Amino acid sequence: GQNIDQPTEMTATEGAIVQINCTYQTSGFNGLFWYQQHAGEAPTFLSYNVLDGLEEKGRFSSFLSRSKGYSYLLLKELQMKDSASYLCAALDSNYQLIWGAGTKLIIKP
Amino acid sequence: EAGVAQSPRYKIIEKRQSVAFWCNPISGHATLYWYQQILGQGPKLLIQFQNNGVVDDSQLPKDRFSAERLKGVDSTLKIQPAKLEDSAVYLCASSEGAGEGYNEQFFGPGTRLTVL
Repeated sequence: GQNIDQPTEMTATEGAIVQINCTYQTSGFNGLFWYQQHAGEAPTFLSYNVLDGLEEKGRFSSFLSRSKGYSYLLLKELQMKDSASYLCAALDSNYQLIWGAGTKLIIKP
Repeated sequence: EAGVAQSPRYKIIEKRQSVAFWCNPISGHATLYWYQQILGQGPKLLIQFQNNGVVDDSQLPKDRFSAERLKGVDSTLKIQPAKLEDSAVYLCASSEGAGEGYNEQFFGPGTRLTVL
């Protein structure tokens, strides 16, 4: 079956760095998305990786290893507004998104 | 550019009642998605339209849920009759295309449904 695994919850300190991991098992693979979702709001797009390696976008970076079925989202210089859920989603061979349950990130002052 | 619009934002009904949600995607987006998101879980795809045709409705409980996208633009999702376990946020999303390649999905604000 198809599966996305990511930690349920993480806690980090304002100003620090946090890495949110995601492993995936899908029938075929056409890329991996990260979305941010604040409580009570809709998900918003953060990144898309289809090739191995690190993609940097400001304070956020996303990494992909296709051979390991693994991705991570790296958040630097954490701010209180980064408190949210981070959803990992993989695009399978039918170009359907398989979603993880999300990682709730709590930022403490 | 206007985003994905949904209404209502909140709805409270009793079990066995009917409810309908409306979605207006971003202008020009061919693909429209309805998701169900239960608290603490990721979105679950209910149905995907490409223009006014259904691409995937494999996870839509067809005995009680129905959806349509007339004229390939707006869409409605209906639940009849509702059950307690239907309490969730119903998200509508749209993308320019579907199928091969990268298609970022843009989400609406969602409708929070509470079934009592």
